[in-house]
Amino acid sequence: NAGVMQNPRHLVRRRGQEARLRCSPMKGHSHVYWYRQLPEEGLKFMVYLQKENIIDESGMPKERFSAEFPKEGPSILRIQQVVRGDSAAYFCASSPDQPSTGEKLFFGSGTQLSVL
Amino acid sequence: AQTVTQSQPEMSVQEAETVTLSCTYDTSESNYYLFWYKQPPSRQMILVIRQEAYKQQNATENRFSVNFQKAAKSFSLKISDSQLGDTAMYFCAFSLTQGGSEKLVFGKGTKLTVNP
Repeated sequence: NAGVMQNPRHLVRRRGQEARLRCSPMKGHSHVYWYRQLPEEGLKFMVYLQKENIIDESGMPKERFSAEFPKEGPSILRIQQVVRGDSAAYFCASSPDQPSTGEKLFFGSGTQLSVL
Repeated sequence: AQTVTQSQPEMSVQEAETVTLSCTYDTSESNYYLFWYKQPPSRQMILVIRQEAYKQQNATENRFSVNFQKAAKSFSLKISDSQLGDTAMYFCAFSLTQGGSEKLVFGKGTKLTVNP
């Protein structure tokens, strides 16, 4: 059973470009969470999605950021018109149910976004 | 405020010795879970140990154990018989149920180096 798969592992963008980060949850998991880790910081919650639904986006910036988890395919975190402050590691986690209480929550290896 | 404080940005220990990483937290939740995650250079987030806040007994997982003081909101991690493979960032976190979802609140981490 493959773990949570994130790609790309590294993504370089110039200011003003778009970044698309992908996350394939573990098999059988229908709950996806995105976290952001700024340099020298811990992970911060961004958004929680179930298939075709955004449940909680309270941690996501109101502008330029969006997330989706379609019926088929991976979850996508999209950042439009990237700025240098968006440079961070973006982690995806998945669980089979909610609440996960951490026991069944699995993280991917993250996507390191660098904005030049 | 819902926060986690890890007061030791960096620590080092000799192989085979014991080290304790500190963590204090602040939450208004009455029922929550506490976690320690390990993040090696590969960036993978690995769950080390988990504690249910309503349980007084301290959790243990092989060489890893916690000292949970609920009244003091303290949750330290003890690593016994340290191994070179324990070298990593360690993050303390608690679960927060809010907005229809359960999310994790992380500290800034402690960088642990195990020396041969």
